[in-house]
Amino acid sequence: GNSVTQMEGPVTLSEEAFLTINCTYTATGYPSLFWYVQYPGEGLQLLLKATKADDKGSNKGFEATYRKETTSFHLEKGSVQVSDSAVYFCALPYSGGGADGLTFGKGTHLIIQP
Amino acid sequence: KAGVTQTPRYLIKTRGQQVTLSCSPISGHRSVSWYQQTPGQGLQFLFEYFSETQRNKGNFPGRFSGRQFSNSRSEMNVSTLELGDSALYLCASSLAGQEAGEQYFGPGTRLTVT
Repeated sequence: GNSVTQMEGPVTLSEEAFLTINCTYTATGYPSLFWYVQYPGEGLQLLLKATKADDKGSNKGFEATYRKETTSFHLEKGSVQVSDSAVYFCALPYSGGGADGLTFGKGTHLIIQP
Repeated sequence: KAGVTQTPRYLIKTRGQQVTLSCSPISGHRSVSWYQQTPGQGLQFLFEYFSETQRNKGNFPGRFSGRQFSNSRSEMNVSTLELGDSALYLCASSLAGQEAGEQYFGPGTRLTVT
């Protein structure tokens, strides 16, 4: 089945620093790719997605580009804020064939210090 | 529109017992997926139901089972509980289409096995 590897944290940055969280995947074909975020005390929610190669997903200042050549979907943000402190998960479909269900990376705990 | 709801939110069971968890998806969503989240293994896909049929299944033993009702509500059951089953169980719903898409997660049921 499909699998994903992402850098594990915790990652600690100062406010306004540049953020990169690496994510690489193994999959059959070219599935959609996702970043989910889990803020403290809140449920898991979709941050952004890309549905085909070279697509760029973006939301709340975060961006990620679907790179099929390097099978990567790295998450970036130019200037992080304290409110970005959360756990970030890279994900893709568990398997093909149209069924739902995702396989997730282990999660990256991001801590932003003022 | 109401979000995904899960009941109960917290549960304490004894090893060897069985447990049933419930999930009500967002109105109009026909796909329901279940996940287990633990500190060691992260987020792992259990299974997915669509129109009362299991369409997708993760790598979990047969002690873990589920079902979906005609109103799309879903239940998962764990029989013969083990200490290692202690986890946060998350349910997610989606519209379900041509491929795995955006999922909306509930707050989870925290299961503790003693």
